[in-house]
Amino acid sequence: DIQMTQSPSSLSASVGDRVTVTCRASQGITNSLAWYQQKPGKAPKLLVYAASRLQSGVPSRFSGSGSGTDFTLTISSLQPEDSATYYCQQYYTSPPYTFGQGTKLEIK
Amino acid sequence: EVQLVESGGGLVPPGGSLRLSCAASGFTFSNYWMSWVRQAPGKGLEWVANINQYASEKYYVDSVEGRFTISRDNAKNSLYLQMNSLRAEDTAIYYCARDFYEISGDYYFYYGMDVWGQGTTVTVSS
Repeated sequence: DIQMTQSPSSLSASVGDRVTVTCRASQGITNSLAWYQQKPGKAPKLLVYAASRLQSGVPSRFSGSGSGTDFTLTISSLQPEDSATYYCQQYYTSPPYTFGQGTKLEIK
Repeated sequence: EVQLVESGGGLVPPGGSLRLSCAASGFTFSNYWMSWVRQAPGKGLEWVANINQYASEKYYVDSVEGRFTISRDNAKNSLYLQMNSLRAEDTAIYYCARDFYEISGDYYFYYGMDVWGQGTTVTVSS
């Protein structure tokens, strides 16, 4: 199975900061990658799919990029409500679709 | 409103069985692939299984293959997960989710999961 590794595991940033989360695949997955946001006690929410396509209703400060094995999720100007854990998920070829271990983002 | 509501979770001893249900509303359930995803306490997300619209294609993560069975009843707008031979490591919140994809001709382009339920908690313990 394809393994997904996120970095960092956690980070702390201030409101207004530009924040980047990285996800690396154990093999090439073209652009078959999604990003999710999960707040405590809540279900995950789809933010980005096909590596760079923003899901409807997601604020434009979120963006995704990358292809092959290396991907990034960027928040251009961090807001208080962005405090959450972020997960990447690969869906290259058939299931199982694997997630990264998550990146916990805290607001200073 | 598009909604998924899970039920059926609870406390079960190791080796026991449990059947989870997911009631869908607000969209044409029979048009969509559906998935189960779980999250162990304090841990990350793990994709468990999915099923196509006709229940003719089913996929599982290796750790549940042969023990869990995903199914659906389109007439009842419902998704199910039958879990047998439960182990302590199956303890988790189980989420029902709608698969998100685009159709082009005869091809489906899967993009992730765009609608999620609130989850139901399964605890495997004696």
